[in-house]
Amino acid sequence: DARVTQTPRHKVTEMGQEVTMRCQPILGHNTVFWYRQTMMQGLELLAYFRNRAPLDDSGMPKDRFSAEMPDATLATLKIQPSEPRDSAVYFCASNLHTGELFFGEGSRLTVL
Amino acid sequence: AQSVSQHNHHVILSEAASLELGCNYSYGGTVNLFWYVQYPGQHLQLLLKYFSGDPLVKGIKGFEAEFIKSKFSFNLRKPSVQWSDTAEYFCAVTRGGATNKLIFGTGTLLAVQP
Repeated sequence: DARVTQTPRHKVTEMGQEVTMRCQPILGHNTVFWYRQTMMQGLELLAYFRNRAPLDDSGMPKDRFSAEMPDATLATLKIQPSEPRDSAVYFCASNLHTGELFFGEGSRLTVL
Repeated sequence: AQSVSQHNHHVILSEAASLELGCNYSYGGTVNLFWYVQYPGQHLQLLLKYFSGDPLVKGIKGFEAEFIKSKFSFNLRKPSVQWSDTAEYFCAVTRGGATNKLIFGTGTLLAVQP
């Protein structure tokens, strides 16, 4: 059963620490998205990649966030340094061309 | 900029009541339209999608949506809701063509009372 896998599922850290979230897209999918979900802002698109190349990261705070795809099976989202306002659920999703977007279970981040 | 509006932020219904959730988008060109559902504590799952053809789209679990191009709308409906439909519902849009950047609405939280 193909699915998007995210780690960690939960992360509690202190302000100023580095946080790295990982995502394994569905094999064969060529587009990977990072979304952030909060009560106040809803679902925000942070960045997305096609064929491992970044297409749009305009939704991502550049000073502390970075997203990469070291290879076709791994996408990473890094926050350094983390702040309490970064507390949210971060979802990774993947699809093939314009097809259905498949979401991972999410990484719930709490920054104290 | 392209945007998606969901008018109802919080809806409370009794079981067997009919449901209609509104969704409007701002982009004037060709669009692909989606409704996703997020059950409590879970990730988003696709309910239904519209790319072209019949503007009345049927999805899973008895949901349907109607694309009305002149109104830039894609409202979600279900004739009779169940307690298990309690969830958050998101409308989403991508522009037709090469890009597949999916933009979500703010979501509608549906609570169905038994």
